[in-house]
Amino acid sequence: GENVEQHPSTLSVQEGDSAVIKCTYSDSASNYFPWYKQELGKRPQLIIDIRSNVGEKKDQRIAVTLNKTAKHFSLHITETQPEDSAVYFCAASSRGSTLGRLYFGRGTQLTVWP
Amino acid sequence: SAVISQKPSRDICQRGTSLTIQCQVDSQVTMMFWYRQQPGQSLTLIATANQGSEATYESGFVIDKFPISRPNLTFSTLTVSNMSPEDSSIYLCSGGTFEKLFFGSGTQLSVL
Repeated sequence: GENVEQHPSTLSVQEGDSAVIKCTYSDSASNYFPWYKQELGKRPQLIIDIRSNVGEKKDQRIAVTLNKTAKHFSLHITETQPEDSAVYFCAASSRGSTLGRLYFGRGTQLTVWP
Repeated sequence: SAVISQKPSRDICQRGTSLTIQCQVDSQVTMMFWYRQQPGQSLTLIATANQGSEATYESGFVIDKFPISRPNLTFSTLTVSNMSPEDSSIYLCSGGTFEKLFFGSGTQLSVL
């Protein structure tokens, strides 16, 4: 099955700085890569996703990049704000073009200091 | 995004008992899954809830321990059977459309 590795496990940045979280996956058949944000005591929320036919996707201060050859993808948050503090999970789906099982990374605790 | 309602939100149970968690999704959802999240940990897929048939379990999870039903497209239940303290965790229902997966608010289970 798919194996998703996520780094770093914790990340502290100053408000206004950028944050980058990286993930690798093992199954070359994986073609859907979402990112979730989970605030303390809340449900995971989908914040951005990318498919394998796209190399980069942006949504305001958040961007995701995908390198299929190297089998890694990254989340970039620019101009970080204290409300960005949360646990971020990457995931990969290995079931063709329909929504299949998602395999999650271990998560990154992001802390943004004011 | 899809609307996913899950209940109960939390429960404290005695060892050896069973708890059934209910999940209701809106009609946009076609796929339903159950995940477990232990404190400070990642999300682990328990099973795919299949409409009108037996669920598809992931390695390490069995039907006798985690029976799942999905009698129709928008409703599913997960039962945690013969509970032990090791079952203390957050259980999350999730539902997906063709492209995206959304989560319920979770059930925080504590087993004494």
